[in-house]
Amino acid sequence: EVQLVESGGGLVQPGGSLRLSCAASGFTFSGFAMSWVRQAPGTGLEWVSLITNSGASIYYTDSVRGRFTISRDNSQNTLSLQMNSLRADDTATYYCAKVRGSYGVFDLWGQGTMVTVSS
Amino acid sequence: DIVLTQSPATLSLSPGDRATLSCRASQSVGTFLAWYQQKPGQAPRLLIYDASSRPTGIPARFSGSGSGTDFTLTISSLEPEDFAVYYCQQRSNWPPSFTFGPGTKLDIK
Repeated sequence: EVQLVESGGGLVQPGGSLRLSCAASGFTFSGFAMSWVRQAPGTGLEWVSLITNSGASIYYTDSVRGRFTISRDNSQNTLSLQMNSLRADDTATYYCAKVRGSYGVFDLWGQGTMVTVSS
Repeated sequence: DIVLTQSPATLSLSPGDRATLSCRASQSVGTFLAWYQQKPGQAPRLLIYDASSRPTGIPARFSGSGSGTDFTLTISSLEPEDFAVYYCQQRSNWPPSFTFGPGTKLDIK
């Protein structure tokens, strides 16, 4: 079955760290760029970061650059997001998403993992 | 940065109606525009990419049109399962980034 399964969310204090993981299955993981997209409670979608299929190129939205690090292990079919210096406005459901070819769209999504930053 | 606006914010229709949702970009995005459907408690689902292309498995009642700055998602005849929030999304080539619109909530009248 083609799927993405996120894990690692939870409650963390402001300034703390958390590492999210995404396990991919059912497709050739190493052939596709991957992204993280987040959604704060009751709001819309916000792209967070993208890593190319080989991991050679990485991009972030401005609000997380310098605090978050995206990475991937193509031998384990896993995508990760290391989140440091977390702030209350990082509270959101975090989705990993597969990027469709060169179209820059997200054609497969995980179910999401909730991150709550609060004291 | 390119900003996407969607209208209306909420659209109240009945099953069997035709739905027309709009997405406008602050500058031309060519045809790099996608549409997603999100139901409560679920992840988004890709409906349309490249402004008018449907991925495999998306029903033919969903269609997209437009180019440049003005885009439309049309649902020809609403099914009960179509009531959801719809987002448009564009990508910028350099530096690579992705922007979503604020969404249109399609609810049952």
